[in-house]
Amino acid sequence: SSELTQDPAVSVALGQTVRITCQGDSLRSYYASWYQQKPGQAPVLVIYGKNNRPSGIPDRFSGSSSGNTASLTITGAQAEDEADYYCNSRDSSGNHRVVFGGGTKLTVL
Amino acid sequence: QVQLQQWGAGLLKPSETLSLTCAVYGGSFSGYYWSWIRQPPGKGLEWIGEINHSGSTNYNPSLKSRVTISVDTSKNQFSLKLSSVTAADTAVYYCARAIAAATAYYYYMDVWGKGTTVTVSS
Repeated sequence: SSELTQDPAVSVALGQTVRITCQGDSLRSYYASWYQQKPGQAPVLVIYGKNNRPSGIPDRFSGSSSGNTASLTITGAQAEDEADYYCNSRDSSGNHRVVFGGGTKLTVL
Repeated sequence: QVQLQQWGAGLLKPSETLSLTCAVYGGSFSGYYWSWIRQPPGKGLEWIGEINHSGSTNYNPSLKSRVTISVDTSKNQFSLKLSSVTAADTAVYYCARAIAAATAYYYYMDVWGKGTTVTVSS
């Protein structure tokens, strides 16, 4: 079972804003990273650190954090944003474990 | 542009040992954690473990007794062995480069291999 908790599914109307959340104790110490995964493809990093986007990731993707909750926001969702999204961090208990959230399926209507 | 190329046997019988290798092209091998992640069919991502260039490893406690990750710095490669596989180990296995900054408290995987489908079946 994941120690980062995500809603299994979220939907958003085309062009609207959607927030995907991730909760876990490790997020009180570590920033979450966020990955987009489309069917049959490897995950792609979209947000890391406080709110950083790798080269090539559109600026409609942003990240934020408060307490034990991290959020990925897509402002003006596009059809191509429909995918699974996973959060990830290092476990803060000192055992160097890495954890993933269970994933959120984003549907763009 | 760093690329990861992975390979290994795709079909195993129960009790056999899974063996995968990931080669790193176009970038430095040191200063990163080199990770293995798997994804069972229709399910989420599961971290298996990681190794750095000096050979220091961290493993998922749930798999630790069966997992060995090793590194060959002369070839810029790292490898995964998972022993005594069962049908529950059927998954797509990914290698990835991870960046960790303890003082800044962030951890992320910025480069991924394409994945290798491993099926365990008698």
